[in-house]
Amino acid sequence: QVQLVQSGAEVKKPGSSVKVSCKTAGGTFGNYVISWVRQAPGQGPEWMGAIVPMLRTTNYAQKFQGSVIISTDESTSTVYMEVTSLRSEDTALYYCARQITVSRAVIPGNDGFDVWGQGTLITVSS
Amino acid sequence: EIVLTQSPGTLSLSPGDRATLSCRASQSVSSSFLAWYQQKPGQAPRLLIYGASSRATGIPDRFSGSGSGTDFTLTISRLEPEDFAVYYCQQYYSSPLTFGGGTKVEIK
Repeated sequence: QVQLVQSGAEVKKPGSSVKVSCKTAGGTFGNYVISWVRQAPGQGPEWMGAIVPMLRTTNYAQKFQGSVIISTDESTSTVYMEVTSLRSEDTALYYCARQITVSRAVIPGNDGFDVWGQGTLITVSS
Repeated sequence: EIVLTQSPGTLSLSPGDRATLSCRASQSVSSSFLAWYQQKPGQAPRLLIYGASSRATGIPDRFSGSGSGTDFTLTISRLEPEDFAVYYCQQYYSSPLTFGGGTKVEIK
């Protein structure tokens, strides 16, 4: 059974960057989209952006354009998300999630996010 | 951006009750691209329903989804103790993908 395994929690200073990894264990990228979703304490999920690893095509929410970079390393079946210019408001739990894409488009994918990583807590504090 | 508004914010019910959760979109969403998730404290969201009405793998048949256009509903026919959680709807048709604000189903 495919699992998404994320890197561990980090504490960062305001203005710095963080790079979170999401490794596909027990499977390959295949025809999937990997999205990044964050959830601030007590808030609902917020979609940040996504990548089709096989094609390296990406799509970002406008809010995160320019401050978030999603990339992939096929050799290790790992997707990365880098957040730059961190602020205290970026303190949140960050998840990666998998979605099938029949058309190989980033959006729309198909069938919802069926596999999620365990989450990575990023704390931004001076 | 498609805004999803969920109601009610909190639903207080007893085990065995029927739960009806609403999700209203600011513009029409193709029903093929509307999902529902369950989230419990300390856990990632869990996919329940995709395509507005298709149950995800392993989801009990007490969960059902319906709706089209701008109005969608998640129904839990008889609440089990493990169903008390927060539920989110999501549209995955257009960028940015968006989630609703959630409905908390709590024990009365």
